[in-house]
Order: sequence, then structure tokens, then C-alpha cells
Amino acid sequence: GQNIDQPTEMTATEGAIVQINCTYQTSGFNGLFWYQQHAGEAPTFLSYNVLDGLEEKGRFSSFLSRSKGYSYLLLKELQMKDSASYLCAVSTGDYKLSFGAGTTVTVRA
Amino acid sequence: IAGITQAPTSQILAAGRRMTLRCTQDMRHNAMYWYRQDLGLGLRLIHYSNTAGTTGKGEVPDGYSVSRANTDDFPLTLASAVPSQTSVYFCASSPTSGSANEQFFGPGTRLTVL
Repeated sequence: GQNIDQPTEMTATEGAIVQINCTYQTSGFNGLFWYQQHAGEAPTFLSYNVLDGLEEKGRFSSFLSRSKGYSYLLLKELQMKDSASYLCAVSTGDYKLSFGAGTTVTVRA
Repeated sequence: IAGITQAPTSQILAAGRRMTLRCTQDMRHNAMYWYRQDLGLGLRLIHYSNTAGTTGKGEVPDGYSVSRANTDDFPLTLASAVPSQTSVYFCASSPTSGSANEQFFGPGTRLTVL
């Protein structure tokens, strides 16, 4: 089976930086996705990493180390609207996307 | 229609009843998926379709069936609902089923089986 672990909850202050870690043990690896999901809404795509290294997109960055089975999502200059769940998902082949349980981030003023 | 839609938004259903959740996309995506999301478990794939006319089983297919008569629609049917099928159901689509494809999610259907 697939094993994808991420912390359940994190809290941070507005303007701060938060790093959400994701470790995975999967049968196959074709890339790693991060999705954002606000309460009661659909997940929306944030990033995709297939090669080792850092991908930066504005305030959000995602890092991947395939040898360590590890990724993180870095949220900088936190805003109240960043309060949401962040889902780590590993692609293990065509159509096969395995999700972690998600990390709920709460941003406090 | 813009993107991917689901109906109904929410439903309360008696155990043993038959229920079809509807999903329609207007992006001409070839691949479509059904997931269920339960607290502490994350999204789990129920069924998928690589292209119109084909379907496949995901991680948790038991008790569910799907059909893909055309590109746009991908209904999910619970033949005889049970309380363990209480969940939030998300339909998703992607241009193809290739592993690098971002999936676009519908707004979800919250289903309660009593």
C-alpha cells in the first residue's frame, strides 16, 4: 500500500512562514502534488514536483527529495486567507494519485 | 457551466436506497475520477475513467458503480446505500490520466446515510 504522512495541524501568525512536511513510502513515484482545500470547498492545485529541488510560485514554494521520500510546502508572508487544509499527494502511475490526510493550517492575527 | 459541477450539493439517504451522484465537466477532459473524503483518511479513489467508454476500479470501489457514456458526464451510483458510505464525494477531471496531470475538482456532494 501507499503511506503518506503529514502533520495534522499547524498554527502560525499572520506575516510569518510555515513549512508543511510530507513523507511518503509508495510503490512507484511519478511526481508529488500539493493541493489547498478551504473548509467546505474543493481542493485546488498548488504545485507539482517531479525532480529534486525547490519550485517557487510567489508566496508558495515546494521542495522535493526523491531519495529521502520527502517534500515540504513553504508558505511565506502568511495571510488570513491561507487558513486551509494542505494536501500532499503522490502520483504512482497513470490516474493513480494517493493523498495524505491533510494538514490544517490556522493563521492567527 | 464553467469547469466541473456536481449534484446534489448534499443529500440525506435512508440505508438500502439507491442513489446516483452526478458529475459534469465542460473542459473536454478525457479522464475523470470519483473520490470520497473522510476525516483523518484523506481523499480515496473510488473509480476512474481514462476516456469515454472505459472505467476502472480505484482503491475503494465496493458498493459503487460508474458509467462513462460520453466525455462530459461521469455519474456515481450507490446501488444500496449503507451508513459507512456517509462521506463527502468529490468528482475530478484531468486532460488525460497521465501522472503529471493536475486534477480539477468539483465542489463536492455531502452524503449522509442513515
